[in-house]
Amino acid sequence: KAGVTQTPRYLIKTRGQQVTLSCSPISGHRSVSWYQQTPGQGLQFLFEYFSETQRNKGNFPGRFSGRQFSNSRSEMNVSTLELGDSALYLCASSLRGAQADTQYFGPGTRLTVL
Amino acid sequence: AQSVTQLDSHVSVSEGTPVLLRCNYSSSYSPSLFWYVQHPNKGLQLLLKYTSAATLVKGINGFEAEFKKSETSFHLTKPSAHMSDAAEYFCVVSEGNDYKLSFGAGTTVTVRA
Repeated sequence: KAGVTQTPRYLIKTRGQQVTLSCSPISGHRSVSWYQQTPGQGLQFLFEYFSETQRNKGNFPGRFSGRQFSNSRSEMNVSTLELGDSALYLCASSLRGAQADTQYFGPGTRLTVL
Repeated sequence: AQSVTQLDSHVSVSEGTPVLLRCNYSSSYSPSLFWYVQHPNKGLQLLLKYTSAATLVKGINGFEAEFKKSETSFHLTKPSAHMSDAAEYFCVVSEGNDYKLSFGAGTTVTVRA
């Protein structure tokens, strides 16, 4: 069974631009979560989707948004990029959600904002 | 509210000696607790998880962890470290129905030959 895939793996943008990251979950998984990993703040929860509905959102500004499609694939969008948005963005999928089931992580998208 | 504190930011051990990574948690409910490992430039891999069954949890690659409610701890151990164990380890908690994982700050493990 294929794992969680994230595209692109690396991205370089400039301040003020916007970016869209994609995550394809493991087949059959309906929950997709996104996390931001930085050296200063560690791993922080962005949001979680289940069957196209956002069930929880972390403490991030409105520039960070996401969505999930009917095939469970998910995208996250960051508008008006800031230098501090440079990070590794990780996507995780599970059958039902974080506490109920094991979350499987993708390799991440490394975003660099110049 | 849920949170975890990893008591050591860096642990250095010799190959073949035991490894101990310490984690304390704070949770209002019955939490699920996990240990994840991240090798350089790789994603996160689940080592083991506790979900209110046996308090001693065995994971992959010889790791195990013990849930101690009285001490609010979930320490990770391995009897004999291998060079391939060099990585960053995260203690993680999840509770209730908030559908998220809360990560500790991480412990970097270095294994000396």
